[in-house]
Amino acid sequence: SQKIEQNSEALNIQEGKTATLTCNYTNYSPAYLQWYRQDPGRGPVFLLLIRENEKEKRKERLKVTFDTTLKQSLFHITASQPADSATYLCALENSGGYQKVTFGTGTKLQVIP
Amino acid sequence: GAGVSQSPRYKVAKRGQDVALRCDPISGHVSLFWYQQALGQGPEFLTYFQNEAQLDKSGLPSDRFFAERPEGSVSTLKIQRTQQEDSAVYLCASSPLQSSKGAFFGQGTRLTVV
Repeated sequence: SQKIEQNSEALNIQEGKTATLTCNYTNYSPAYLQWYRQDPGRGPVFLLLIRENEKEKRKERLKVTFDTTLKQSLFHITASQPADSATYLCALENSGGYQKVTFGTGTKLQVIP
Repeated sequence: GAGVSQSPRYKVAKRGQDVALRCDPISGHVSLFWYQQALGQGPEFLTYFQNEAQLDKSGLPSDRFFAERPEGSVSTLKIQRTQQEDSAVYLCASSPLQSSKGAFFGQGTRLTVV
């Protein structure tokens, strides 16, 4: 069956360090992979989208990689700040016109001052 | 406001009661999605509208769940004869594209069935 795995344990890192979150998937051939941020009591906020033919995407302090061989995406936040503390969700979408998006369970990031 | 607006923000329903959850998407957005999010889980897809057409309702958990978007803007998710397992946050998202890429989410409606 199709499965998206994100580390369910919270990730605690020191301010200023690089946070790396992992999204692994099985039995998918996603055309697109998206990363969202979700704060408590709020809806997810779109951050980045990467296509299957792209290896890496950057936006300010954020970097996403997409390895379709390993079936894995890594999400990096450089020079992390306490304000980066949130839950980060990955979401997969298959190719072919409209395809519904499937979300992972999310990883909670805590940046310690 | 310019964002996706959902109401009510919180809803407590007695088991067996019908509820209606409203979503006001961003004006002009073609696509509208409903998701259900249980505590500690990611959002689970419920249904998708492209304008007024409901193109995908494969995620609706039972025939007690019904969604509509009659004029291609505001959408309502209705749950009949609520059960305790329906307790969750219901999220609405809209996108200007005929896909979910970069969708904008509302704050959600937290439904508690007692």
